[in-house]
Amino acid sequence: EAGVAQSPRYKIIEKRQSVAFWCNPISGHATLYWYQQILGQGPKLLIQFQNNGVVDDSQLPKDRFSAERLKGVDSTLKIQPAKLEDSAVYLCASSYPSGRAYNEQFFGPGTRLTVL
Amino acid sequence: AQSVTQPDIHITVSEGASLELRCNYSYGATPYLFWYVQSPGQGLQLLLKYFSGDTLVQGIKGFEAEFKRSQSSFNLRKPSVHWSDAAEYFCAVGLSGGYNKLIFGAGTRLAVHP
Repeated sequence: EAGVAQSPRYKIIEKRQSVAFWCNPISGHATLYWYQQILGQGPKLLIQFQNNGVVDDSQLPKDRFSAERLKGVDSTLKIQPAKLEDSAVYLCASSYPSGRAYNEQFFGPGTRLTVL
Repeated sequence: AQSVTQPDIHITVSEGASLELRCNYSYGATPYLFWYVQSPGQGLQLLLKYFSGDTLVQGIKGFEAEFKRSQSSFNLRKPSVHWSDAAEYFCAVGLSGGYNKLIFGAGTRLAVHP
């Protein structure tokens, strides 16, 4: 079974530029998550989708970050314009739909963003 | 509010020595608990998980963890550390009830001396 795919693996941009990350979840996983992991910290959830609807985006900086999952499969996370403090690893994860029980999340390799 | 505390930011052990990484959580309901490992430049790999039942859980790579409800702890252990275990370790609590959220600790970086 293929895992969660992410691209690119690395990206270096200047501040105020824009950048986009792509994620393809495990087949059949309706729930998709984007996390931000700043150096020295644990991953922090930015946004959670169930199919193509947003379940939780309470920690997404909406003035500069946006995400979409138009067909309920792959997803794109965009930053525009980027700031120095956006330098981090962006992790994508997927799981079966949330319900009464917890469903395990599976993580992709991440995209390391450096903003200069 | 739910939270996970990993008190040790860095730990250094000698190869062959035993290891214990501490994790404490704050969550009102029965927690789902996880340990993940992250090697440099890699994503998160699940080491083990606790959902219910036996409070001592076995994971991959010879790791185990014990859930202690009275202490709100889920410490990770390994009897004999290998140089390849050098990595960052994250404890996380999973929230059920329709949210399926993961709350991570800040991580413990493990260095292994030869």
